[in-house]
Amino acid sequence: GENVEQHPSTLSVQEGDSAVIKCTYSDSASNYFPWYKQELGKGPQLIIDIRSNVGEKKDQRIAVTLNKTAKHFSLHITETQPEDSAVYFCAALKGSARQLTFGSGTQLTVLP
Amino acid sequence: GAVVSQHPSWVICKSGTSVKIECRSLDFQATTMFWYRQFPKQSLMLMATSNEGSKATYEQGVEKDKFLINHASLTLSTLTVTSAHPEDSSFYICSAPRTANTEAFFGQGTRLTVV
Repeated sequence: GENVEQHPSTLSVQEGDSAVIKCTYSDSASNYFPWYKQELGKGPQLIIDIRSNVGEKKDQRIAVTLNKTAKHFSLHITETQPEDSAVYFCAALKGSARQLTFGSGTQLTVLP
Repeated sequence: GAVVSQHPSWVICKSGTSVKIECRSLDFQATTMFWYRQFPKQSLMLMATSNEGSKATYEQGVEKDKFLINHASLTLSTLTVTSAHPEDSSFYICSAPRTANTEAFFGQGTRLTVV
């Protein structure tokens, strides 16, 4: 089955700096890669996603890059703000499957 | 956008009682929904896949008689924790993909505390 590894587990940055979270996946058939933000006591919220036919996608301060050859994808947050502090999960999905495989999560703390 | 609503957001129950958690897709039909359990500072652990009109598929190690899942309609799945024990205390989350191979939307989660 699919295995998704996520690094780092914790990340602290100064407000205004950039944050990068990286994930690798094992199944080359995976073709959909979402990123979720989870605030304390709440369910995960989709923030950005990318499909395997695209190398990069950007939405304001958030971007995701995908390297299919290396089987890794990354989340980039620029100009971080304190409200960006949360746990971020990457995930991978294969073909017609509906079940996501999640990474272990990254606790991002943006220091004011 | 698509929204998944989960209810209740938190519940406290006594040991031995049962608790039902509801998961609704509000603006799309979900033939499949997923139920997760999350421990503090950990990732989401898939418990079971809820299929409309058929039996749920449980992950290895998840007791199907303890965690009853019913997906009676295209917009509603329920998880019932039967004969709850303190070790069942956890954060339970449901999700539903709009279609296969598309984004999954998550409910708000339910904090269950068994005393």
